[in-house]
Amino acid sequence: EAQVTQNPRYLITVTGKKLTVTCSQNMNHEYMSWYRQDPGLGLRQIYYSMNVEVTDKGDVPEGYKVSRKEKRNFPLILESPSPNQTSLYFCASRSGTVSYEQYFGPGTRLTVT
Amino acid sequence: SQQGEEDPQALSIQEGENATMNCSYKTSINNLQWYRQNSGRGLVHLILIRSNEREKHSGRLRVTLDTSKKSSSLLITASRAADTASYFCATDPRLYSGGGADGLTFGKGTHLIIQP
Repeated sequence: EAQVTQNPRYLITVTGKKLTVTCSQNMNHEYMSWYRQDPGLGLRQIYYSMNVEVTDKGDVPEGYKVSRKEKRNFPLILESPSPNQTSLYFCASRSGTVSYEQYFGPGTRLTVT
Repeated sequence: SQQGEEDPQALSIQEGENATMNCSYKTSINNLQWYRQNSGRGLVHLILIRSNEREKHSGRLRVTLDTSKKSSSLLITASRAADTASYFCATDPRLYSGGGADGLTFGKGTHLIIQP
């Protein structure tokens, strides 16, 4: 089944404790993105990647890092999480040429205390 | 930066009625897409309309695009309780495939409630 998976689905952590949210897709998609969703603000893009070793900032990249060492994986790293990073995070992927539609993961609800 | 803005923010109708949501955007686009999100879950792609198209249908969905007014509408006909969800429009500004910045720009969504 074609899908985007994220782990963990729920995470409660404390300020400053480094964490990684994993994202994996099995559709051989070139493009992958991370979004955060906050009430009243909709979805905002954090980072995106156009292919292996090619990443770039989205609209709200501060406090986040990403890497794309393999085509299928695109982890989101919070080196020193802060309470304002409490949010619902989505990973998404799409084909580079076939279609513009994005496939979203199920989401990771992160709480930073 | 946010480009698409949906209207209304919330809509409650009776099952069987039609639901119409609107989206306005600011800059030129390659295509516009509509997504559905059930509470707290991932977004699901519904339909894509390209900038050179004016109307598109998919099942009970009908999307229109007016590039001169920079607006789009999503019509769901014969609504069902299962249509209760948030609906987002997303604009894709790329003028060519394969290159340049990526990522859709989403609006804040319309929350649709279908009363049984």
